[in-house]
Amino acid sequence: AQSVTQPDIHITVSEGASLELRCNYSYGATPYLFWYVQSPGQGLQLLLKYFSGDTLVQGIKGFEAEFKRSQSSFNLRKPSVHWSDAAEYFCAVLNTGFQKLVFGTGTRLLVSP
Amino acid sequence: EAQVTQNPRYLITVTGKKLTVTCSQNMNHEYMSWYRQDPGLGLRQIYYSMNVEVTDKGDVPEGYKVSRKEKRNFPLILESPSPNQTSLYFCASRTGTELNEQFFGPGTRLTVL
Repeated sequence: AQSVTQPDIHITVSEGASLELRCNYSYGATPYLFWYVQSPGQGLQLLLKYFSGDTLVQGIKGFEAEFKRSQSSFNLRKPSVHWSDAAEYFCAVLNTGFQKLVFGTGTRLLVSP
Repeated sequence: EAQVTQNPRYLITVTGKKLTVTCSQNMNHEYMSWYRQDPGLGLRQIYYSMNVEVTDKGDVPEGYKVSRKEKRNFPLILESPSPNQTSLYFCASRTGTELNEQFFGPGTRLTVL
């Protein structure tokens, strides 16, 4: 079965510093991968997705992610974090039958002044 | 504005008292789904619907029911809620094309005493 691992439960980054959130997936075929952000009290918003092609994917709010098949990873990056980026971030993979997203457990990002 | 709405947003109830959480989307989406979010577990799918009158179980369907009588609505029914159903619930929808983005509602925080 497909699975997603986000090894970091919490990450604290200084405002203006770079960010990398880790995501590893388990999937036999070509994965369809997503990053979602959940701001406090809000629903989930799609940041970016990878289906095929260029392994570096650009998303909204200045985020990007790189798909590395050899490492089964899809890490999310941002060169300069803003205080408004404080939120919980979820990596997800679309399951084989496309009926659902399989989510990781999330990484909570804290931004310090 | 294209959106997924859920009601109520917050609910405190007691064990055994039947309740319904409504979900409605205005995007004419074929696919709708319910997830629950619990700390340390991420989001897990409860039920999904590929279209009107077509529903199927997700990963954690026990204690829940759904119906899809109209395309826009997908209510989640708890016939006899128990404390282990205390959670944050999200409804999502997308078009029939599997690789399209899922749009999430704002969430319903349910507490069962």
